[in-house]
Amino acid sequence: EIVMTQSPATLSVSPGDRATLSCRASQSVSSNLAWYQQKPGQAPRLLIYGASTRATGIPARFSGSGSGTEFTLTISSLQSEDFAVYYCQQYNNWPPLTFGGGTKVEIK
Amino acid sequence: EVQLVESGGGLVQPGGSLRLSCAASGFTFSSYWMSWVRQAPGKGLEWVANIKQDGSEKYYVDSVKGRFTISRDNAKNSLYLQMNSLRAEDTAVYYCARGLELRQYNWFDPWGQGTLVTVSS
Repeated sequence: EIVMTQSPATLSVSPGDRATLSCRASQSVSSNLAWYQQKPGQAPRLLIYGASTRATGIPARFSGSGSGTEFTLTISSLQSEDFAVYYCQQYNNWPPLTFGGGTKVEIK
Repeated sequence: EVQLVESGGGLVQPGGSLRLSCAASGFTFSSYWMSWVRQAPGKGLEWVANIKQDGSEKYYVDSVKGRFTISRDNAKNSLYLQMNSLRAEDTAVYYCARGLELRQYNWFDPWGQGTLVTVSS
């Protein structure tokens, strides 16, 4: 099973600042990685797939990078609606499909 | 509009059974892999099971193997999860989520709103 580890668990950021979230895989997942955003009481929403491709309707301030075992989600200028929990998920080697534990982005 | 709507959650005693349903609309249901993903209260996301377009392949997380069964009815545009021998640790919001047409592209988009399953005496 591929274990996904996200860091930090909580990120405190001021509106307008850049946020950098990390996701590490226990073995290579190539570029087969997705990122999701989840707000309280809502279902997750796909942000990024293929490590760097934005999903339909996702603003350009969200960008993904990385391959192999190290991945980054960057939010270039945080808006109020971006404060949420973010999850990475690998789909390279499954079952099982696995998620990271999440990073909560909170207002500083 | 692509939409997934779950139903069937509720309170059940340990050892009991429950059947979740997911009604799909706005896309060709029979063309996509489909999954169930759960989230325990205050916790992260856990993939539970998925099923190929024609039902010929089904996969499960180890913790539910032998207890849960995923199925689909393409004529009814519906996905199901039969949950037996339920345990307290199965308590979670269960989401229905769409994959893609090909096995190697199993990210999830979109997700339903979720249905809460509570296992407690």
